[in-house]
Amino acid sequence: EPEVTQTPSHQVTQMGQEVILRCVPISNHLYFYWYRQILGQKVEFLVSFYNNEISEKSEIFDDQFSVERPDGSNFTLKIRSTKLEDSAMYFCASSEAPQYYGYTFGSGTRLTVV
Amino acid sequence: AQKVTQAQTEISVVEKEDVTLDCVYETRDTTYYLFWYKQPPSGELVFLIRRNSFDEQNEISGRYSWNFQKSTSSFNFTITASQVVDSAVYFCALFTGGGNKLTFGTGTQLKVEL
Repeated sequence: EPEVTQTPSHQVTQMGQEVILRCVPISNHLYFYWYRQILGQKVEFLVSFYNNEISEKSEIFDDQFSVERPDGSNFTLKIRSTKLEDSAMYFCASSEAPQYYGYTFGSGTRLTVV
Repeated sequence: AQKVTQAQTEISVVEKEDVTLDCVYETRDTTYYLFWYKQPPSGELVFLIRRNSFDEQNEISGRYSWNFQKSTSSFNFTITASQVVDSAVYFCALFTGGGNKLTFGTGTQLKVEL
């Protein structure tokens, strides 16, 4: 069964450093998403991406965040200057048609900012 | 705005008991889609079931069943004859085309004990 692949599974970074979280969505999917989940809390929407541009973003997704689909297969989330409160599990998801099939989520990247 | 409420934060049952997880949603859209996801201790998000707003027929799939009632904006999920492997956090989620994002509830932690 096709999977959404996220790397790395766990990243530790120092406060103020830049991190790039990587995702390889399912190949025929057109809709891409990033979500985050602070430990023990709800899964929060960050951004949706379609047709090579952001289609929607949440209040969390401020200027320190950016997304990119650099080569047609990868989908990255960059956090420019990490803060302690950015520590969370970050999930990438993709979908062929979200209303019909929902999303397929990757297994997540646990980001720890120290 | 979309909102999903899962009032039960934690449920504990003994194996083989039936358990129902409650979900109440809010949306102004007339077309929307409801989902249940499971998050086992390993952390990934696993798609379980999906329902669209036009189809209130309740269904059973193996040990899973769901009860969708538009009149009360509820989308409850039942596990019959629960097993220890069902122990996980269960998230109800709402997708509306206007929002182009999946909005999650806060999750219900289900613990199934021997």
